[in-house]
Amino acid sequence: DQQVKQNSPSLSVQEGRISILNCDYTNSMFDYFLWYKKYPAEGPTFLISISSIKDKNEDGRFTVFLNKSAKHLSLHIVPSQPGDSAVYFCAASETHSNYQLIWGAGTKLIIKP
Amino acid sequence: EPEVTQTPSHQVTQMGQEVILRCVPISNHLYFYWYRQILGQKVEFLVSFYNNEISEKSEIFDDQFSVERPDGSNFTLKIRSTKLEDSAMYFCASSDRLSQPQHFGDGTRLSIL
Repeated sequence: DQQVKQNSPSLSVQEGRISILNCDYTNSMFDYFLWYKKYPAEGPTFLISISSIKDKNEDGRFTVFLNKSAKHLSLHIVPSQPGDSAVYFCAASETHSNYQLIWGAGTKLIIKP
Repeated sequence: EPEVTQTPSHQVTQMGQEVILRCVPISNHLYFYWYRQILGQKVEFLVSFYNNEISEKSEIFDDQFSVERPDGSNFTLKIRSTKLEDSAMYFCASSDRLSQPQHFGDGTRLSIL
């Protein structure tokens, strides 16, 4: 099942620079997308979400962009900080499935000092 | 900040035994979920629960699984006769509205011997 794909298993970024995490999906019925951050031995922590009626949502250092025609979303973190080092998961859902989340495999982000 | 709590953090059980995983969702939340993550694999949806009944379940959630909200605060996942392949991290989540982000607990690591 590859409905949500995160093709980069890991990403290394210099502190202070922009981190861009990417996610692709195949199910055109998805209408709600979320990014979660996960530290080892903890549960996923909600970061930011976007509805399919929008193409951008911003919250502090985090911005999510949605390109529906390309079935692609991205998470931008700027500036990147050492505490941002974690695994980032993209998840998608659709209204008619009671918002069950379909998850990507995650991207491990490493922020270098 | 209110959080979802899960107990125990680690459960070791003999194959064939019953196991109950416990969750206390955020107090004003109405929608409850269980997900699991087998080591090295994606997070997978198991079941969603609202108004004292299952609203959606995946193919994984077969007759060996059941959920219950025995009182106003707990939400439990029971596996009747555990199998080796049930070994995974099990995450509980809750949300206050269907279209709102789900908030996760830190998970229970279930090890079947």
